[in-house]
Amino acid sequence: DAGVTQSPTHLIKTRGQQVTLRCSPKSGHDTVSWYQQALGQGPQFIFQYYEEEERQRGNFPDRFSGHQFPNYSSELNVNALLLGDSALYLCASSFDSGAGELFFGEGSRLTVL
Amino acid sequence: GQQVMQIPQYQHVQEGEDFTTYCNSSTTLSNIQWYKQRPGGHPVFLIQLVKSGEVKKQKRLTFQFGEAKKNSSLHITATQTTDVGTYFCAGRASNTGKLIFGQGTTLQVKP
Repeated sequence: DAGVTQSPTHLIKTRGQQVTLRCSPKSGHDTVSWYQQALGQGPQFIFQYYEEEERQRGNFPDRFSGHQFPNYSSELNVNALLLGDSALYLCASSFDSGAGELFFGEGSRLTVL
Repeated sequence: GQQVMQIPQYQHVQEGEDFTTYCNSSTTLSNIQWYKQRPGGHPVFLIQLVKSGEVKKQKRLTFQFGEAKKNSSLHITATQTTDVGTYFCAGRASNTGKLIFGQGTTLQVKP
C-alpha cells in the first residue's frame, strides 16, 4: 500500500517564476492538506482540499493556489515566486474530511534563487 | 488568528534522562495531535488527544491534554538515542477546524 507520494522531490526556480507541486494521497484517503515548512520551523498550514474544493485556507497570499482531482490527487501552484518561498512543501492526506491523523509525504524541497 | 506555541525550542539530554515538551494554544481546541520528525524526514503521527484532561501512554511516552483544552504536554521517560528528532504538537481549533502546528521542540540525546 503506497503512502503519500509527492513530486518533484527537489527543484530550483528563480524569482518571478511559477511552480507546480503534485501529491497523490494514501489509498483510501479523500482529503489533502498542504503545508509549508521553512528550515527550523513547524509546518505552516496553506490549505485543505476535500471533494475537489478548497475547504480551509491558512494565511497565505493568493499566489498560492491549488486543485484536487476526482482521484483525490492534488496540486499546489505558486506564482510569482519570492526568495521567501524557499521551503519544504509537505502534502498530507487523511480520511473523513481531515478530522483524524495526517499522513505526510516526503515533501518537495523548493529553492528560489 | 490561532497560535500554537511550544517550549522549549531545543533540549539536550543525556541518554536515560527524562524529557518534556509543552504546548499552548491561544484558542480552545477540539483535539490535539503530536508528531515526530526525524532529521531530514517528514512528520509522523504519534497520537491524538480529544477529551479534557486526557492522558495517554505509549511505552515510554506520556501525553496529556489540559483540562481547559488549550494546552498539552509530551513526556519521555528514560530517553534513548532513537528518540532524537523534533516533536510537534498540532492543535485543531474548535471554531475553525484548522490544524495548526507549533514550532516544535528539537530533542538531542547524548549517548
